[in-house]
Amino acid sequence: AQSVTQLDSQVPVFEEAPVELRCNYSSSVSVYLFWYVQYPNQGLQLLLKYLSGSTLVKGINGFEAEFNKSQTSFHLRKPSVHISDTAEYFCAVSDGTSGGSYIPTFGRGTSLIVHP
Amino acid sequence: DSGVTQTPKHLITATGQRVTLRCSPRSGDLSVYWYQQSLDQGLQFLIQYYNGEERAKGNILERFSAQQFPDLHSELNLSSLELGDSALYFCASSVGARGEEQYFGPGTRLTVT
Repeated sequence: AQSVTQLDSQVPVFEEAPVELRCNYSSSVSVYLFWYVQYPNQGLQLLLKYLSGSTLVKGINGFEAEFNKSQTSFHLRKPSVHISDTAEYFCAVSDGTSGGSYIPTFGRGTSLIVHP
Repeated sequence: DSGVTQTPKHLITATGQRVTLRCSPRSGDLSVYWYQQSLDQGLQFLIQYYNGEERAKGNILERFSAQQFPDLHSELNLSSLELGDSALYFCASSVGARGEEQYFGPGTRLTVT
């Protein structure tokens, strides 16, 4: 079975400051990792994904994440946040065994609040 | 705008009733996924259809069923509704069956009273 732990339910930060949203996972097999963002009253949008290859993954809107197998982590980072980054962020893991599909198991989410 | 549409946006109904949620995937996408988002359970995968066939199944209750039609739109049927079924229901779509890049619709908010 796979699971995801997002260590912070809420992260407040000032505009233009760096931010890191933490995610740890557990899985008994190969993992595929995702970060999604959910803006208020909207559906989820894929920020970035790790399927294989380089452990440093760059996504949209200036976000990046690093897959660390030894620490079973996939933390999301951005060097300088904007007010518009205020949203809910979800980390997700898949082991690719759901009929061959990358069906994600989601964490509970981290609310990023950017203050002016 | 992801290109995935869901109707209705809001639905209020009573316990014991049955409702149907509808999803139209992005043009060209063959897979449709249904998710439930609630305060208690978080975001959970329910079921996936690929080109009309059930592909993967998650924590979907027996009272719930889904199908994907030849025009690739999908419907999620929820019956014998309980208060605990109140949630946001999202549909997502992807080009292929593996779903490594899913596009989510805006969701249907279901309130059961």
